[in-house]
Amino acid sequence: NAGVTQTPKFRILKIGQSMTLQCAQDMNHNYMYWYRQDPGMGLKLIYYSVGAGITDKGEVPNGYNVSRSTTEDFPLRLELAAPSQTSVYFCASSPDLGTATNEKLFFGSGTQLSVL
Amino acid sequence: KNEVEQSPQNLTAQEGEFITINCSYSVGISALHWLQQHPGGGIVSLFMLSSGKKKHGRLIATINIQEKHSSLHITASHPRDSAVYICAVLTQGGSEKLVFGKGTKLTVNP
Repeated sequence: NAGVTQTPKFRILKIGQSMTLQCAQDMNHNYMYWYRQDPGMGLKLIYYSVGAGITDKGEVPNGYNVSRSTTEDFPLRLELAAPSQTSVYFCASSPDLGTATNEKLFFGSGTQLSVL
Repeated sequence: KNEVEQSPQNLTAQEGEFITINCSYSVGISALHWLQQHPGGGIVSLFMLSSGKKKHGRLIATINIQEKHSSLHITASHPRDSAVYICAVLTQGGSEKLVFGKGTKLTVNP
């Protein structure tokens, strides 16, 4: 019953460093998402993927990159970390986001990232 | 103006009270999610609605598509219900996307 596994839970980066946030799901979901949550703000979509080999930008993609080589994994890469990227990052997945009434979102436990 | 507005922003209740959290949206949607985020940060999906009403235990979610409004009700509230409740809508159109409200912070006191 792993669901969505997100690592690491916490990370401190220096300005200009790079890192990869890992996300894996074992539910064979097609849709996967990366969100960031800033204090007092709603979750903002960074990137999403509707299946292996397919990714697209969300609302706030600048400074990030993603890949989706398998159905299970959807890593998020920060190339040159900046203080503005200090946030809590959530990965999520769903089998489909059409009009099916029983589809839910599944979230990872979050990564608290500080860029100093 | 945000596409998804939640009210109230903060809500404090006494144990046992009936709670209502509201969500209004300004865009066409195909579905609406209610999510719960506990103090530890984890986010759990409570409901996905495209019409009518859903019930799970003490939680009830309703949606009125014509009014562009949804409510989340908690009956017989308990301190363990203390969390941030987030409304998110799945927009219609060429590329569906989820748009999130800022959340309602609920505190239930014993």
